[in-house]
Amino acid sequence: DAGVIQSPRHEVTEMGQEVTLRCKPISGHDYLFWYRQTMMRGLELLIYFNNNVPIDDSGMPEDRFSAKMPNASFSTLKIQPSEPRDSAVYFCASSEGNSNQPQHFGDGTRLSIL
Amino acid sequence: DQQVKQNSPSLSVQEGRISILNCDYTNSMFDYFLWYKKYPAEGPTFLISISSIKDKNEDGRFTVFLNKSAKHLSLHIVPSQPGDSAVYFCAASANQFYFGTGTSLTVIP
Repeated sequence: DAGVIQSPRHEVTEMGQEVTLRCKPISGHDYLFWYRQTMMRGLELLIYFNNNVPIDDSGMPEDRFSAKMPNASFSTLKIQPSEPRDSAVYFCASSEGNSNQPQHFGDGTRLSIL
Repeated sequence: DQQVKQNSPSLSVQEGRISILNCDYTNSMFDYFLWYKKYPAEGPTFLISISSIKDKNEDGRFTVFLNKSAKHLSLHIVPSQPGDSAVYFCAASANQFYFGTGTSLTVIP
């Protein structure tokens, strides 16, 4: 079975540009999560969806970040405008449950903002 | 503020010996705990979990111990193998998951 698929794997862009990260969750999983990994803070939850509806976006750092899930098989995380401090690895994960089921992660998008 | 802490950024162990990775948490409401393993350029992979109603869970070479009074979680790998070299994240959940910053394990052949 296909796991969580993220694209692109790497993104390098200049400050001020719009960045869109994409995620396809595992079929049948009702929950989708976006995380950001940094050396200092480890894995931070940005936002999660249940049945395509955003449930908790309190981890989104600022209004420059937005996420959507138009259907059960696709989600995007957008940064506009991007800044150098947004450079990190962004992971998408999906699960069958919220807090009592393991999450399955994609391989991440390594984002570099110059 | 980090609710889940892994205070050892790295650990080196000889092949065949035991690896012990530690994790501390602050929130007494956490009721489900997991360990993930991560290789470079890949996403974290679920390894083993434990519910707060248990104090031990075993899966092959991997055992997770939970000490609720100390708010402490540990992962034991016995015997350690070179393929176990990776970054290990602990995670804890109440309504959502909180992850530690990871411990990089190197198993020396």
